[in-house]
Amino acid sequence: GAGVSQSPRYKVAKRGQDVALRCDPISGHVSLFWYQQALGQGPEFLTYFQNEAQLDKSGLPSDRFFAERPEGSVSTLKIQRTQQEDSAVYLCASSLSQNNEQFFGPGTRLTVL
Amino acid sequence: GQQLNQSPQSMFIQEGEDVSMNCTSSSIFNTWLWYKQDPGEGPVLLIALYKAGELTSNGRLTAQFGITRKDSFLNISASIPSDVGIYFCAGQGNDYKLSFGAGTTVTVRA
Repeated sequence: GAGVSQSPRYKVAKRGQDVALRCDPISGHVSLFWYQQALGQGPEFLTYFQNEAQLDKSGLPSDRFFAERPEGSVSTLKIQRTQQEDSAVYLCASSLSQNNEQFFGPGTRLTVL
Repeated sequence: GQQLNQSPQSMFIQEGEDVSMNCTSSSIFNTWLWYKQDPGEGPVLLIALYKAGELTSNGRLTAQFGITRKDSFLNISASIPSDVGIYFCAGQGNDYKLSFGAGTTVTVRA
């Protein structure tokens, strides 16, 4: 079966542009997570959805970051007015429920010039 | 910021050697996980540990959950070229959040 997919795989944005990153979780997975991975570091938690409800957004670094999952399946992470420090790989993960194994997508590498 | 201290940061190995890496934390975790990440891909789970003192194997991989619940190690025996990559430890507390170490980069010495 298909794993977690993310698009685009690479995104280059000029500073100040808005970007939208998409995640298609594994079908039937209730839980969806977004992580940010800076170069040479491990992933860091951004936000968590259970179905369409965003239960935890404590890891979002600023109010320029916004995530949604309106129908409880596909999720979009939006970054407004991108800054150079937003450059990172953004990973999406999904799991059957919140305490089951999280399966990661390949990530979107965002470069802000 | 990350609360896990993973070491070594990088290592060079020769094919056939055993490899060992570890992770320590200032916090107690209920679950320890070890992932491998290849370039351009997301992390893939290798081993999960759920109980203090647990020793678990998966093929040539062996990992242990420290008794204090603040540390874990991963051993790879008889390394092969495809073992190259970045290995991450991750801890999970009472909630769903994973806290990752900074990774150990494994490279095969020519």
